[in-house]
Amino acid sequence: NAGVTQTPKFQVLKTGQSMTLQCAQDMNHEYMSWYRQDPGMGLRLIHYSVGAGITDQGEVPNGYNVSRSTTEDFPLRLLSAAPSQTSVYFCASSNNEKLFFGSGTQLSVL
Amino acid sequence: GENVEQHPSTLSVQEGDSAVIKCTYSDSASNYFPWYKQELGKRPQLIIDIRSNVGEKKDQRIAVTLNKTAKHFSLHITETQPEDSAVYFCAAPPRGGSEKLVFGKGTKLTVNP
Repeated sequence: NAGVTQTPKFQVLKTGQSMTLQCAQDMNHEYMSWYRQDPGMGLRLIHYSVGAGITDQGEVPNGYNVSRSTTEDFPLRLLSAAPSQTSVYFCASSNNEKLFFGSGTQLSVL
Repeated sequence: GENVEQHPSTLSVQEGDSAVIKCTYSDSASNYFPWYKQELGKRPQLIIDIRSNVGEKKDQRIAVTLNKTAKHFSLHITETQPEDSAVYFCAAPPRGGSEKLVFGKGTKLTVNP
């Protein structure tokens, strides 16, 4: 049981590039979400999903897209990376309100 | 929407002392209040949570208290140890979204040996 798996762990992008952060969970959780963590800002919700085929926006959704084709996977897409998207990204899945986080992706946009 | 304020932003204590971190929330419909611990370079992990139908919950050296009338909840760590050094986050859900947690900005706790 691996829990929540995120890839890659580190990524450097140039402004304007696109990329996908991968997230997978093997706990059969219906709820999954993406947070970004910036110094002094805590964890802010980007997008979330309550089940396959259902996604919705969180607090800071601009510049990001998500899809949920299966229960296990919830990728986060950056459409055109900007320096303001430099952050640490955490994927999480939830069982009865308890969030289980992945190990994070440290993203730098130059 | 929900707004969660957390204080203090940094806290330094001597080993063996107690530490208290406080959070306030804005949505009176919130009914679930977790605390997460994040060690340096690691993922946040749930350490304790409380639901609105109880006022206090304990787990060994940590406890959480809730005052629904005042809309605040606190994390208490007794007999602190160096391994308690971490960033602690409180959270609360907005109305109608118990899993869409809104997090406080975190408290960096340092326990000095």
